[in-house]
Amino acid sequence: GENVEQHPSTLSVQEGDSAVIKCTYSDSASNYFPWYKQELGKRPQLIIDIRSNVGEKKDQRIAVTLNKTAKHFSLHITETQPEDSAVYFCAASIRTGRRALTFGSGTRLQVQP
Amino acid sequence: DTAVSQTPKYLVTQMGNDKSIKCEQNLGHDTMYWYKQDSKKFLKIMFSYNNKELIINETVPNRFSPKSPDKAHLNLHINSLELGDSAVYFCASSQDQGVGNTIYFGEGSWLTVV
Repeated sequence: GENVEQHPSTLSVQEGDSAVIKCTYSDSASNYFPWYKQELGKRPQLIIDIRSNVGEKKDQRIAVTLNKTAKHFSLHITETQPEDSAVYFCAASIRTGRRALTFGSGTRLQVQP
Repeated sequence: DTAVSQTPKYLVTQMGNDKSIKCEQNLGHDTMYWYKQDSKKFLKIMFSYNNKELIINETVPNRFSPKSPDKAHLNLHINSLELGDSAVYFCASSQDQGVGNTIYFGEGSWLTVV
């Protein structure tokens, strides 16, 4: 089955700096890669996703890049703000077959004001 | 107008008891899930149902039994609760099994077994 590794497990940045979270996946057939944000005590919520036919996608201060050859993808947050503090999960999924999303282990991002 | 709602939100119970968590979605989705999030925040799929049919059953102990009376509901029953069952259980749904469908999570049910 799919295995998704995520690092770092914790990340502390100063407000205004950039933050980068990286994930690798094992199943080369995976073709959908979402990122979820989970604030303390809340539910995970989708913030951005990318499909395998795209190398990069941006949404305001958030961007995701995908390298299919190397089987890794990354989340980039620019101009970080205190409200970006949360746990971020990457995930990977395969198009065919009865598979659910496989999540990474999460990265706790702390943005220091 | 909560999209995915689950009850109870908090549950404290003794080892050996049987408990249920209920989940309902009003999004008209075909697929529903149960995820378990442990103390280290790992999010792991337990079960997935598509239109009342079980499609994913990960290596979960038989003490866990999901039930889907209709495609808008997916309940989780747990028998003989153990200390290691303490976790946050998230119900979720998506349009269907297709890849790329956003998964919407419920608020979570915090289960503590003492």
